[in-house]
Amino acid sequence: AQKITQTQPGMFVQEKEAVTLDCTYDTSDPSYGLFWYKQPSSGEMIFLIYQGSYDQQNATEGRYSLNFQKARKSANLVISASQLGDSAMYFCAMRPPGPGAQKLVFGQGTRLTINP
Amino acid sequence: DGGITQSPKYLFRKEGQNVTLSCEQNLNHDAMYWYRQDPGQGLRLIYYSQIVNDFQKGDIAEGYSVSREKKESFPLTVTSAQKNPTAFYLCASSRTSGDNEQFFGPGTRLTVL
Repeated sequence: AQKITQTQPGMFVQEKEAVTLDCTYDTSDPSYGLFWYKQPSSGEMIFLIYQGSYDQQNATEGRYSLNFQKARKSANLVISASQLGDSAMYFCAMRPPGPGAQKLVFGQGTRLTINP
Repeated sequence: DGGITQSPKYLFRKEGQNVTLSCEQNLNHDAMYWYRQDPGQGLRLIYYSQIVNDFQKGDIAEGYSVSREKKESFPLTVTSAQKNPTAFYLCASSRTSGDNEQFFGPGTRLTVL
């Protein structure tokens, strides 16, 4: 069975600093996808970035990048130049292999607080 | 604007009553999903549907039921058999082919009194 572990319940960072949110995963399948979502206090889930297990390069989307270390089974999210609006819960998720619906397995989340 | 709508945002029910949560999407996505989120926790999959008139149980389906009679709609019924129904419920949709992100609705917070 697939499992996602986020070991940082909360993180506090000064505005404009870079921050790394940790995510490790456990799967025996060679093909999988990894996602990061942001959940503001309003509750909706906002997609940030995706990494496929066969992708050669680390994914980047604007200020977000994913530090993918396949041998270590880690997929850390890096936010550069943090902003006050980045304060939210962040969830790492994995899509198991197989056709059809993209079921996701989520980690417990990390609450990020950006201080002015 | 394309997106997913869930109604209502807040819902209160008495213990022992069934309640149906609405989820509608106009993204023309084939797949739809229901997740449950408890305080301080990640999301857990309740049910998902890959196509109209088809749905599958997720990890915590007991006490819930769904239907998928239309592509745009995937209502979730929380039955009286659900032991602890108070939670935040999120609906999502996605294309089924390839690695595509799931798009989420704003959620419904259900409180059973």
